[in-house]
Amino acid sequence: DAKTTQPPSMDCAEGRAANLPCNHSTISGNEYVYWYRQIHSQGPQYIIHGLKNNETNEMASLIITEDRKSSTLILPHATLRDTAVYYCIVRTTGANSKLTFGKGITLSVRP
Amino acid sequence: GAVVSQHPSRVICKSGTSVKIECRSLDFQATTMFWYRQFPKQSLMLMATSNEGSKATYEQGVEKDKFLINHASLTLSTLTVTSAHPEDSSFYICSARDPSGLADGELFFGEGSRLTVL
Repeated sequence: DAKTTQPPSMDCAEGRAANLPCNHSTISGNEYVYWYRQIHSQGPQYIIHGLKNNETNEMASLIITEDRKSSTLILPHATLRDTAVYYCIVRTTGANSKLTFGKGITLSVRP
Repeated sequence: GAVVSQHPSRVICKSGTSVKIECRSLDFQATTMFWYRQFPKQSLMLMATSNEGSKATYEQGVEKDKFLINHASLTLSTLTVTSAHPEDSSFYICSARDPSGLADGELFFGEGSRLTVL
């Protein structure tokens, strides 16, 4: 699986949009970009994924650049409960394809 | 989304004993489950891939005789930490693939099991 790089941390004000960047310059054509988050002492939670088109769901939006070498996860209105470690992962398809976690980015939402 | 449940959520045991952790997919059948370990302030580290009805595939550096994995049914995988020692104290997390999801099946995670070995 391709590796990803994320800044170690960022913060944003409650109610504002949080834009979390991710670089995946070695991504292959059949690899998806996945975002998970982990709130302290809990299992990771799926947020969103995409291949090349931008995606939006009830939690977030995912913007993938045209060359697919980077992406941005957008939390449109961050709340205190969004404080967590966010992991950007690229993953091959296939029955046994694995999720390999990097260090992620720690998002701190301040009041 | 799909639900994956782990039990127990916390366990404390004495050094030298064995501990079993269960991972269940509650509303889907999971042919593949994954086991992770997470030490404090670190990321999740994949330990093994568990396929129903066959032997687990362990990641490099993970002792298969130390961490026994059984995936006897499509909804249950177990991880047994044998002869546990204090250095095995960690947060153990399982995930299961829902084959009905997109991209070859979505992965959902359990709540995690915190093991403390005294």
